[in-house]
Amino acid sequence: QKEVEQDPGPLSVPEGAIVSLNCTYSNSAFQYFMWYRQYSRKGPELLMYTYSSGNKEDGRFTAQVDKSSKYISLFIRDSQPSDSATYLCAMKGDSGAGSYQLTFGKGTKLSVIP
Amino acid sequence: SQTIHQWPATLVQPVGSPLSLECTVEGTSNPNLYWYRQAAGRGLQLLFYSVGIGQISSEVPQNLSASRPQDRQFILSSKKLLLSDSGFYLCAWSVWGTGADIQYFGAGTRLSVL
Repeated sequence: QKEVEQDPGPLSVPEGAIVSLNCTYSNSAFQYFMWYRQYSRKGPELLMYTYSSGNKEDGRFTAQVDKSSKYISLFIRDSQPSDSATYLCAMKGDSGAGSYQLTFGKGTKLSVIP
Repeated sequence: SQTIHQWPATLVQPVGSPLSLECTVEGTSNPNLYWYRQAAGRGLQLLFYSVGIGQISSEVPQNLSASRPQDRQFILSSKKLLLSDSGFYLCAWSVWGTGADIQYFGAGTRLSVL
């Protein structure tokens, strides 16, 4: 079983739709959970991160972490064509050897159609 | 504010030729530095990381090497490129001890070995 599983898509939605992106993981030591957005031929940029379980909201974006289910989500409300990108989840442990290391999902490619 | 510069943006090299990719970070001291490779459908693979000048750790045995001659400079090299070295190379930085140890990425170098 891979450490982090993420559906690669592609996911195509109409403008204005609510988008749900998800990752599952197997390592219970993960404590920090990040979402990166990567436009075509660009480097990933950090969207949000959360610590442990719970929700975090930033504008149209909401990140959710359910550690009991080892499941994280990113919701995008009122999606825009400019949201079209690949979304990568990433996670890491809290401390100790190797805790600097990020484990990434393979990314979900999202297209928002005008 | 901190910025990360990575160059060149695109590179086409023949098999057997040498390689040198450079990454510099501005606006922070003693960052952790990382080199990743991103291949289509395979996600982000950590190649090297460095916690200080001259301190390099390799994550994957391969045809590449890394060096950190200055605090905010990270170089990825190869003496003889292979076809399999083609890919999108990303440099990233983080500041250790800030909890999440968030990694921030450069714009990437797309390398094609022909």
